[in-house]
Amino acid sequence: AQSVTQPDIHITVSEGASLELRCNYSYGATPYLFWYVQSPGQGLQLLLKYFSGDTLVQGIKGFEAEFKRSQSSFNLRKPSVHWSDAAEYFCAGIPSGGSYIPTFGRGTSLIVHP
Amino acid sequence: EAGVAQSPRYKIIEKRQSVAFWCNPISGHATLYWYQQILGQGPKLLIQFQNNGVVDDSQLPKDRFSAERLKGVDSTLKIQPAKLEDSAVYLCASSLGPSGRNEQFFGPGTRLTVL
Repeated sequence: AQSVTQPDIHITVSEGASLELRCNYSYGATPYLFWYVQSPGQGLQLLLKYFSGDTLVQGIKGFEAEFKRSQSSFNLRKPSVHWSDAAEYFCAGIPSGGSYIPTFGRGTSLIVHP
Repeated sequence: EAGVAQSPRYKIIEKRQSVAFWCNPISGHATLYWYQQILGQGPKLLIQFQNNGVVDDSQLPKDRFSAERLKGVDSTLKIQPAKLEDSAVYLCASSLGPSGRNEQFFGPGTRLTVL
């Protein structure tokens, strides 16, 4: 079965520190991969996406993610976290062929200490 | 450009009552999605429309949930009768087309509490 796993429920970092949020996927073929951010009471906003090609993708708000086929991972990174980055982050996958049914991970809550 | 609109933003009902949610997608977006997001979990797709036709509703509990998009624009999701476990945020999203390459734009959601 297709799945997306985010192993960390909560991540706490200090403002200005670097960040890495983990995401692993399980699909028959490489899916399209996405990272979304959700602030309290808001809908999801797309940070970045990977379809194919360059395995390091740049997104909005200074985020980037690296696709690693050998590890079935698509980890999200940011070199210096700002207090406004505190939010819920979701990784999602969509099959690249056939049905385009998205599957989301459970989410990782990012807490930023001043 | 206006985003995806949803109403109401909050709804509290008692179990066994019925409830309906409304979604107006971004103008020109042919594909519309309804998701259920239970507290502490990621969104789960309930139903996907392409214009006014259903693309996928395999995860929709059809004994109590129904959805329609009669004119291919706005959509309504209904629950009848509601159960305690239906307490969740219901998110609507839209995209230009059904391909996974088309970005989904999400509305703010409707938070449903079933007592």
